[in-house]
Amino acid sequence: DSGVTQTPKHLITATGQRVTLRCSPRSGDLSVYWYQQSLDQGLQFLIQYYNGEERAKGNILERFSAQQFPDLHSELNLSSLELGDSALYFCASSPPISGGAGTGELFFGEGSRLTVL
Amino acid sequence: AQKVTQAQTEISVVEKEDVTLDCVYETRDTTYYLFWYKQPPSGELVFLIRRNSFDEQNEISGRYSWNFQKSTSSFNFTITASQVVDSAVYFCALSEAKDDKIIFGKGTRLHILP
Repeated sequence: DSGVTQTPKHLITATGQRVTLRCSPRSGDLSVYWYQQSLDQGLQFLIQYYNGEERAKGNILERFSAQQFPDLHSELNLSSLELGDSALYFCASSPPISGGAGTGELFFGEGSRLTVL
Repeated sequence: AQKVTQAQTEISVVEKEDVTLDCVYETRDTTYYLFWYKQPPSGELVFLIRRNSFDEQNEISGRYSWNFQKSTSSFNFTITASQVVDSAVYFCALSEAKDDKIIFGKGTRLHILP
């Protein structure tokens, strides 16, 4: 158990709909990362938050948005869903490295599997 | 822009053989961090190692070893005396010091055959 909690574990929805994926980081971790894993696509970085602020952005579609709340949990909102959005969405958290020396180990949740029909 | 290439999409070896997974990275930063993660069939991602760009010493942890060579921008991972439990997808990843973005390669699926 990594200590990172993602809900829901599975979600089936229709095209055009909107869903929200939730992530609770490990206690003490300030960074939250979101990744999308599609078949044969590896892990695509979407976005990262640090202590409530957006820190880095990847190839996140405009239909997708995220935020990190004061209690440090994060939500990824996916709207106007398309078939191609079907994927496993991972959240990961990371502890701060002393001295600000870059990023540390990522602790991944079990993922939220989204199926768009 | 940062990039990670894992040219080996899939590898199959017989148990007890040694196997090396290749990772080549691209970055313009002089300070960066390299990682390896394992994703077994159960799906969770497990951290294996983190290395910063100033530490070129090779690392050994049990049957696992890592060879970091800045001259060839490579960070290869070797499993010695492979076991069936090593079957998984292995990801190499890169983070630059200028931000916290961690970019993953597409992964290498490793099959260890009994």
